[in-house]
Amino acid sequence: QAVVTQEPSLTVSPGGTVTLTCGSSTGAVTSGHYSYWFQQKPGQAPRTLIYDTSKKHSWTPARFSGSLLGGKAALTLSGAQPEDEAEYYCLLSYSGAPLFGGGTKLTVL
Amino acid sequence: EVQLVESGGGLVQPGGSLRLSCAASGFTFSSYEMKWVRQAPGKGLEWVSYISSSGSTIYYADSVKGRFTISRDNAKNSLYLQMNSLRAEDTAVYYCARGTGYSAWGQGTLVTVSS
Repeated sequence: QAVVTQEPSLTVSPGGTVTLTCGSSTGAVTSGHYSYWFQQKPGQAPRTLIYDTSKKHSWTPARFSGSLLGGKAALTLSGAQPEDEAEYYCLLSYSGAPLFGGGTKLTVL
Repeated sequence: EVQLVESGGGLVQPGGSLRLSCAASGFTFSSYEMKWVRQAPGKGLEWVSYISSSGSTIYYADSVKGRFTISRDNAKNSLYLQMNSLRAEDTAVYYCARGTGYSAWGQGTLVTVSS
């Protein structure tokens, strides 16, 4: 079974830019993985930010964007705000069941 | 307003069974595929199961295959997860989520498997 990898933790300064990545043990992440990005704050349900690699929901702040970068799925946050401090999870679709990454704890400091 | 409300969680002994429900409102439930996702205490998210809008296509994570059954009743706007042969490692908050884009999530229901 594949393994999906994320950075365990990242720190960004307020107003700064940070890129979170999501890799697959089976090889390069492609558009065929329909990658997703979720934000979860303590005690809350997840909230979907990005689906199908780069598509945004109506509630997704413009400062978040999804892409493919260097064989991985990527979530870029440009102009970080204090309220962006959270856990971020990616999800990749495979021929079998989709798999979540272990999550990235993003600190805005 | 789109709402998903899970229920049915609780304390169950290892080997026991539990049926979770997810009540949908505020949208045309029969038009959307649905998923179950779980999160063990202090851990990350784990994808559990998928059902197509008609119920004709179903997928499971390997960790629950053969023990869990997903179903839906479009007339009742409800999604279900029948969980049998429960193990301690099934202890988690269980969320239902809507659609291809996971465009709505419930608040979750806690399942605790312990003797």
